[in-house]
Amino acid sequence: KAGVTQTPRYLIKTRGQQVTLSCSPISGHRSVSWYQQTPGQGLQFLFEYFSETQRNKGNFPGRFSGRQFSNSRSEMNVSTLELGDSALYLCASTTGDEKLFFGSGTQLSVL
Amino acid sequence: AQSVTQPDIHITVSEGASLELRCNYSYGATPYLFWYVQSPGQGLQLLLKYFSGDTLVQGIKGFEAEFKRSQSSFNLRKPSVHWSDAAEYFCASYGSGNTGKLIFGQGTTLQVKP
Repeated sequence: KAGVTQTPRYLIKTRGQQVTLSCSPISGHRSVSWYQQTPGQGLQFLFEYFSETQRNKGNFPGRFSGRQFSNSRSEMNVSTLELGDSALYLCASTTGDEKLFFGSGTQLSVL
Repeated sequence: AQSVTQPDIHITVSEGASLELRCNYSYGATPYLFWYVQSPGQGLQLLLKYFSGDTLVQGIKGFEAEFKRSQSSFNLRKPSVHWSDAAEYFCASYGSGNTGKLIFGQGTTLQVKP
């Protein structure tokens, strides 16, 4: 069974641009959640989607948004990028048995 | 607010020695507790989890953890560390009804001396 797949693996953007990250969950998993990891703030929850609906949301500004498609694939979008958005963005999926399986992440660098 | 604390930012142990990584949580009811491991530039791999029942849980790679309600702790242990265990370890939790919304500790970096 394939794991959680995140694309792209690396991204370099400049301030003010926007970016879209993609996550394909493990087959059969309907819940997808997103996390931001930085050296200073550690791992922080962004949001969670289940059956195309946002079910939980972390404490991030509105520039961070996401969506989930009918096949459970998810995207997150960050608009008007800031230097502080440079981070490893991790996606995780679950069947609802409380165990999250993480992808390898997308490393975003904002210059 | 719910929180997870890992008091040790960095730990160094000799190969073959025992290991204990500390984790304390703050949550009124019994939380769901997890330990994850992360190698540099990679995602997180689940080592073990505790939801209820037996307070000593076994995980992968020879790790175990013990839930102690009286101390609000969920410490990770391994009797004999291997060089390949060098990585960053995260304790995490969430309360019932918050599926997917894990609260992570700051992480403990484990260095293994030959």
